[in-house]
Amino acid sequence: NAGVTQTPKFQVLKTGQSMTLQCAQDMNHEYMSWYRQDPGMGLRLIHYSVGAGITDQGEVPNGYNVSRSTTEDFPLRLLSAAPSQTSVYFCASGQGTEAFFGQGTRLTVV
Amino acid sequence: RKEVEQDPGPFNVPEGATVAFNCTYSNSASQSFFWYRQDCRKEPKLLMSVYSSGNEDGRFTAQLNRASQYISLLIRDSKLSDSATYLCVVRGSARQLTFGSGTQLTVLP
Repeated sequence: NAGVTQTPKFQVLKTGQSMTLQCAQDMNHEYMSWYRQDPGMGLRLIHYSVGAGITDQGEVPNGYNVSRSTTEDFPLRLLSAAPSQTSVYFCASGQGTEAFFGQGTRLTVV
Repeated sequence: RKEVEQDPGPFNVPEGATVAFNCTYSNSASQSFFWYRQDCRKEPKLLMSVYSSGNEDGRFTAQLNRASQYISLLIRDSKLSDSATYLCVVRGSARQLTFGSGTQLTVLP
């Protein structure tokens, strides 16, 4: 059972480049979300979705876009990468009390 | 003020010790409470939910005090494998999870 799959695991971008972080879940969960984790700051919510076709902003949405065309997939797009977006990104899905996380993407913007 | 505050530690304890972590949250409308565990460079995983009556899972005991907006986690008989970062997590009415910054625990042989 794959659970939540994130790709890529590592990425280095140059300032100004764009890219998409992929997230897929096979648990038929309605709720999916993206977090970033920075040292000393815990996980902060970027965007979330309560179902296909519905997305909303979290605590730190600036510089990121999401879409939810299917229940399974919830990609995160960086529009124009900045060094401040260097972080570890986690995708999560959940139905009920527990959130299941992907393995994370370590992104460095130079 | 952060919505969820934890002592970052680090806590360095010998094997077999009892250790307690505390957490406070600011939103009195918060509905659900959890402790997650995160190993170094890995994703967070649910350790246990926290209920008002208190709950226990083996060596782990969680307590919630809604009046004080305070959550605790007690680990008895610490094992080397308990070394990790423990995240206090709160969920509001809109289903979003709010994470504390985590408390780092190292259990020493």
